Amino acid sequence: AQSVTQLDSHVSVSEGTPVLLRCNYSSSYSPSLFWYVQHPNKGLQLLLKYTSAATLVKGINGFEAEFKKSETSFHLTKPSAHMSDAAEYFCVVALYNTDKLIFGTGTRLQVFP
Amino acid sequence: DTGVSQDPRHKITKRGQNVTFRCDPISEHNRLYWYRQTLGQGPEFLTYFQNEAQLEKSRLLSDRFSAERPKGSFSTLEIQRTEQGDSAMYLCASSLTTGASYRQYFGPGTRLTVT
Repeated sequence: AQSVTQLDSHVSVSEGTPVLLRCNYSSSYSPSLFWYVQHPNKGLQLLLKYTSAATLVKGINGFEAEFKKSETSFHLTKPSAHMSDAAEYFCVVALYNTDKLIFGTGTRLQVFP
Repeated sequence: DTGVSQDPRHKITKRGQNVTFRCDPISEHNRLYWYRQTLGQGPEFLTYFQNEAQLEKSRLLSDRFSAERPKGSFSTLEIQRTEQGDSAMYLCASSLTTGASYRQYFGPGTRLTVT
């Protein structure tokens, strides 16, 4: 079965410092992986996706993620956090050969001034 | 592109009542999905449609849950005889299935509270 595990339920950073949100995946096949962000009272927004092309994926708002097959990881990073980055972040895998999404439990990112 | 819209945004109902939620996808999108998100969890897939055909409903939580997309445009999700455990955010998403690179666009959700 395919699944994702988000290793931190909460991450706190200061504005201007790097962000690292960790995600490990489990899949018998080459996975399609995504990061979504959810701001309060707003819909889920796609940050980036990996679909077996380049292993370093660049997304919106300065975020990027690196697919590491040897570590079964897909960690999300950003060099410098902004106050507007405070939100819930979800690591997601698509079930093989379908478009049904399996979400992780989420990581809440807090950004302090 | 006006985005995916959901109505109502909030619903409070008494246990045992029936509720119906509506989702309007992005106009040209042929696939429509329903998810449920409980507090502190990620969204959980429920069902989805290709145009008006419901392709999978096995993950609907019980026979009290049903969904329709009669004309291949908007969709409704109905919960009959609501229970307190049904309290959650119900999310709708839509996508356009061209090629292998699809993307699901999510609506803001309907928050259900069962008292």
